[in-house]
Amino acid sequence: AQSVTQLDSQVPVFEEAPVELRCNYSSSVSVYLFWYVQYPNQGLQLLLKYLSGSTLVESINGFEAEFNKSQTSFHLRKPSVHISDTAEYFCAVIPAGGTSYGKLTFGQGTILTVHP
Amino acid sequence: DGGITQSPKYLFRKEGQNVTLSCEQNLNHDAMYWYRQDPGQGLRLIYYSQIVNDFQKGDIAEGYSVSREKKESFPLTVTSAQKNPTAFYLCASSQGRQSYNEQFFGPGTRLTVL
Repeated sequence: AQSVTQLDSQVPVFEEAPVELRCNYSSSVSVYLFWYVQYPNQGLQLLLKYLSGSTLVESINGFEAEFNKSQTSFHLRKPSVHISDTAEYFCAVIPAGGTSYGKLTFGQGTILTVHP
Repeated sequence: DGGITQSPKYLFRKEGQNVTLSCEQNLNHDAMYWYRQDPGQGLRLIYYSQIVNDFQKGDIAEGYSVSREKKESFPLTVTSAQKNPTAFYLCASSQGRQSYNEQFFGPGTRLTVL
């Protein structure tokens, strides 16, 4: 079984400041990792994912996440946030292969609030 | 436009009543999923279906039922046996069975039991 822990339930920051949203996971098998974003009263949108290869993955809107296998972490970062980044962010994992098709395990979510 | 639609957006139900949440996708995806979202708990998988006429229980299936008679439709029924049904329900779909396939989410249905 897998588990995901997002270490901060809420992160308040000022506009143009850097931010890091932390995610740790536990799994006995290799996993794929995902970050999803949810704007108020909406569904989730995929922000970025790590499947294999380079441990640093980037999104089109300036976010990046680094897979650290030894620390079992997949922290999300952005060097300069905007008001429009205010949302809830979810880290998720899924076993790489096997019979757990599509069975994502989500963290509890981190609410990012960007203040002017 | 391709996507996932969920209806209704808001739903109110009296205790003891069954209610069915609709989920339709026109992405031609094989797999579909239902999640429940509660504040501070993330998303938890209720049921998933990899193919028409087949579905599997997720982590919190008790008090829920589903059907998958058509590829594009995956309705969820919240029965009176579900002890705490008030929540935000999200439907998702993915192209194939492989675990690396991105799941696309609908806009959600907020169910409130009065």
